[in-house]
Amino acid sequence: EDQVTQSPEALRLQEGESSSLNCSYTVSGLRGLFWYRQDPGKGPEFLFTLYSAGEEKEKERLKATLTKKESFLHITAPKPEDSATYLCAVQRSGYSTLTFGKGTMLLVSP
Amino acid sequence: NAGVTQTPKFQVLKTGQSMTLQCAQDMNHNSMYWYRQDPGMGLRLIYYSASEGTTDKGEVPNGYNVSRLNKREFSLRLESAAPSQTSVYFCASSEGLNIQYFGAGTRLSVL
Repeated sequence: EDQVTQSPEALRLQEGESSSLNCSYTVSGLRGLFWYRQDPGKGPEFLFTLYSAGEEKEKERLKATLTKKESFLHITAPKPEDSATYLCAVQRSGYSTLTFGKGTMLLVSP
Repeated sequence: NAGVTQTPKFQVLKTGQSMTLQCAQDMNHNSMYWYRQDPGMGLRLIYYSASEGTTDKGEVPNGYNVSRLNKREFSLRLESAAPSQTSVYFCASSEGLNIQYFGAGTRLSVL
């Protein structure tokens, strides 16, 4: 059974204070690891897909990295508008379905 | 370009009532999915449809039925609603194994 564990459950940062979110996973044959952002009352919004260990992707203040056991979402100099819940999901080879973690709720204070 | 549209946005039901949640996508995607999201539980897959004419069970299918009406539409039916089905329901679509795009959700309360 595929498993995804995200930590911490919640994170409070001051504006400009960089940090990282962790996503550790167990999957039989990883095809891809997905990061989504979810704002309150809205559906998840796609951020990144990572396919192989060592891969990195960046978007504005966010950078996602992948190893064989975990992924990190690094947030550099965050702003209040980065406040959201960040979801990690894994996709097994040959399947279109995703297994999601429970998410990390990020709050960035001015 | 609307993407994935879910109706209704909010619904309150009494125990035992039935209802259908509607989902439509305009991206010409082959695959569609229904998830539920509960506090502390994350997103869990209820049913999915890899292509028009096929449906498969996900992690939590009990108490639900689905219909892939055509390539655009995928509905989720609760035949006899229970309080345990109080949740936020999300529909998503993808082109095969690629990125899943989500709708805005249906917030369902079963009293």
